[in-house]
Amino acid sequence: EAQLVQSGAEVKKPGESLRISCKASGDISAGHWISWVRQMPGKGLEWMGRIDLSDSYTNYSPSFQGHVTISADKSITTAFLQWSSLKASDTAIYYCARDRDFSFDPWGQGTLVTVSS
Amino acid sequence: QSALSQPASVSGSPGQSITISCTGTSSDIGFYDYVSWYQQHPGKAPKLIIYDVTNRPSGVSRRFSGSKSGNTASLTISGLQAEDDGDYFCSSYSGSSNTPVVFGGGTKLTVL
Repeated sequence: EAQLVQSGAEVKKPGESLRISCKASGDISAGHWISWVRQMPGKGLEWMGRIDLSDSYTNYSPSFQGHVTISADKSITTAFLQWSSLKASDTAIYYCARDRDFSFDPWGQGTLVTVSS
Repeated sequence: QSALSQPASVSGSPGQSITISCTGTSSDIGFYDYVSWYQQHPGKAPKLIIYDVTNRPSGVSRRFSGSKSGNTASLTISGLQAEDDGDYFCSSYSGSSNTPVVFGGGTKLTVL
């Protein structure tokens, strides 16, 4: 069974850096795409970008390009989402999901990122 | 503002059928058969319930069905059950390499 397990909740201050992870197992291996999706408090879903686990080729939404970095380590089938300087507006739940022909299944359990001074 | 338009809320009684619409454009829903639907319960991750407009993943109830006409996709839930209460999101491939996937704003389903 395919499964994605994300790293735990984080509390950070504005300007700090952060990297969260998404570990794939089961049917998910290098050769699959992993997408990251943001859900701000009480809001809908926003596609941020995606990465090919086999070669780390990435696509970013223009809304997130330059503010986050998506990377992967195929040896441990893990994708990462990274910020170099967090803002309060980055407070949200971040989900990773296997991206198969632009449908997402399965999803990770989500990582809550809280940015507050 | 989301790229795809969904009603903010719908409701129905147990046993009834409801339909949630998802309206896009001729560049996304109207052009590609890559519409997906997701169910999300409070505090949980979204779950794929329909992909490629009409297909159900293994394990998803046959009470869920999808369709498309023109620039509008629809999710129908028949025989409503209390466990169907939650949020529903649609998505579509957009053909854009920059933002290949667009989501709807979500619909809150209340089972009365």
